[in-house]
Amino acid sequence: TQLLEQSPQFLSIQEGENLTVYCNSSSVFSSLQWYRQEPGEGPVLLVTVVTGGEVKKLKRLTFQFGDARKDSSLHITAAQPGDTGLYLCAESTSGTYKYIFGTGTRLKVLA
Amino acid sequence: DAGVIQSPRHEVTEMGQEVTLRCKPISGHNSLFWYRQTMMRGLELLIYFNNNVPIDDSGMPEDRFSAKMPNASFSTLKIQPSEPRDSAVYFCASSLFTGGVSGNTIYFGEGSWLTVV
Repeated sequence: TQLLEQSPQFLSIQEGENLTVYCNSSSVFSSLQWYRQEPGEGPVLLVTVVTGGEVKKLKRLTFQFGDARKDSSLHITAAQPGDTGLYLCAESTSGTYKYIFGTGTRLKVLA
Repeated sequence: DAGVIQSPRHEVTEMGQEVTLRCKPISGHNSLFWYRQTMMRGLELLIYFNNNVPIDDSGMPEDRFSAKMPNASFSTLKIQPSEPRDSAVYFCASSLFTGGVSGNTIYFGEGSWLTVV
């Protein structure tokens, strides 16, 4: 069974700080997605990365897919309280409908 | 546009009672997923359907859990009998599976918060 480990588990930072969270797998990803979940809601897709070494930017968020496609990172620049939430990575096995989610990083940005 | 609709939003029930959670996926989507989320275990995939057919139910914890999808616009997850350890948030999600390598967006409902006392 594919395991997706995320680190850190919890992160509490001040507004304006930068941070990076990580997603690692025991095997090669077909593709990888990052979701954000706010309290009381379901996860919402942020980005999908497919190619090893790929970098995608979404405003202050930068997503990177490892060259070997076994890891990914999410970097947030100048974090804001609105970034608070649970960040989840998810892997979908190519050609199937199956999506497995990581353990999650719970981020709190203090004003 | 209507997203994935789940009901009930919150349910408190006594141990041993039957619980039925309901889901209406996004119109036109061909895949439906039931997930369970707890602090200890995170977001776990219980079962998924494609074109109303159960494809993989290996995540269903035990025989007390069952899921059905009688048509493209409705699914249920049933727990009978319920136990306190079933307390969790249950999410229904849907997707339009296209078979590509890039993955497909999964759209989640707001969840059903279940407490079994």
